[in-house]
Amino acid sequence: GENVEQHPSTLSVQEGDSAVIKCTYSDSASNYFPWYKQELGKGPQLIIDIRSNVGEKKDQRIAVTLNKTAKHFSLHITETQPEDSAVYFCAATPPYSSASKIIFGSGTRLSIRP
Amino acid sequence: ETGVTQSPTHLIKTRGQQVTLRCSSQSGHNTVSWYQQALGQGPQFIFQYYREEENGRGNFPPRFSGLQFPNYSSELNVNALELDDSALYLCASSLAGGSTDTQYFGPGTRLTVL
Repeated sequence: GENVEQHPSTLSVQEGDSAVIKCTYSDSASNYFPWYKQELGKGPQLIIDIRSNVGEKKDQRIAVTLNKTAKHFSLHITETQPEDSAVYFCAATPPYSSASKIIFGSGTRLSIRP
Repeated sequence: ETGVTQSPTHLIKTRGQQVTLRCSSQSGHNTVSWYQQALGQGPQFIFQYYREEENGRGNFPPRFSGLQFPNYSSELNVNALELDDSALYLCASSLAGGSTDTQYFGPGTRLTVL
């Protein structure tokens, strides 16, 4: 089945700098890649997603890139702010199942230093 | 806010007991998925309900069962609770049961098994 690996597990950046989180997936047929942000005591919140027919997507300070050949996808956050501090999860959805079964990475704890 | 609600917020049970968790999906959504999130890990897919039928299941034993009602709200039932069942239980709703449908998560129910 699909396996998603995420790096790094923790990341600390200076406020205003950029943060990059990288993920790899194993099933080349996976075709949907959402990113979720989870704050303490809350459920995961979708921040951006990308489908396999697109190489890059941007939404204000957040961008996601997808390399289908290498089975890599990355989250880029620019001009980081204190409210960006949270745990971020990448995920992939294999197409074989009739259900939208999301396979999550292990998470990256992002801390923004003032 | 996603519009997905879960109850209760917190729950404490003892080994061997049974528990029922509840989820109300976002307005207009007919699909509910359940996930288990152990401390420090990414959510793991339990099962999905689409139009009141189970539409896919992860690697969880039969003592994890569910229901979906005509108004698309859902229940997760866990029998014969074990210590390892202690986790955050998340439900997510989506518009339909397709593999690329965006899922929106509720805040979760924190279950502690003593």
